[in-house]
Amino acid sequence: KAGVTQTPRYLIKTRGQQVTLSCSPISGHRSVSWYQQTPGQGLQFLFEYFSETQRNKGNFPGRFSGRQFSNSRSEMNVSTLELGDSALYLCASSSGGTGLFYEQYFGPGTRLTVT
Amino acid sequence: TQLLEQSPQFLSIQEGENLTVYCNSSSVFSSLQWYRQEPGEGPVLLVTVVTGGEVKKLKRLTFQFGDARKDSSLHITAAQPGDTGLYLCAGRGTGTASKLTFGTGTRLQVTL
Repeated sequence: KAGVTQTPRYLIKTRGQQVTLSCSPISGHRSVSWYQQTPGQGLQFLFEYFSETQRNKGNFPGRFSGRQFSNSRSEMNVSTLELGDSALYLCASSSGGTGLFYEQYFGPGTRLTVT
Repeated sequence: TQLLEQSPQFLSIQEGENLTVYCNSSSVFSSLQWYRQEPGEGPVLLVTVVTGGEVKKLKRLTFQFGDARKDSSLHITAAQPGDTGLYLCAGRGTGTASKLTFGTGTRLQVTL
């Protein structure tokens, strides 16, 4: 079974621009979660999509948005980029169950650098 | 806001030594997971614990969930260079579809 794929792997953008990151979950998985990882703040939850609906949301400004398509692929968009948005953006896929043994599988991440 | 503090933040030890990483919170979690992340990769799930006082063993790794389900520990016996990486605990809050809150991380380096 193929793992979670994220594209692109590396991205350099200028302050004020916008960016779209893509995530393809494991086949059959219906849930996609997005996380931001920085040295200072660690791994922080952005949002989760399940069956094309946002099921959970973290504490990030409205500049961060996402969506999920009918094939479960997901995109994350960041508008008006700031220097502090430089981070590793991780996508995690799961079957979508809410049981205690909820397991999610992470992709390799997209390294975004804002200059 | 649920916070998970991990200690120590950094650990550099020699092959063969034992170590323990702690994950503490003032909040109760319905379950707690441990992940390991290597450079350039996403975190990989090691274990999930759900019952207060539960102990799980994975080869040389022993995981314990606190009785009150607020804290956890990871003990590695006879560490090997392959254990090097960033160890993250993550707690799931009570309630359905609760999101995961990740700990601050412990970076472990095991040298020969």
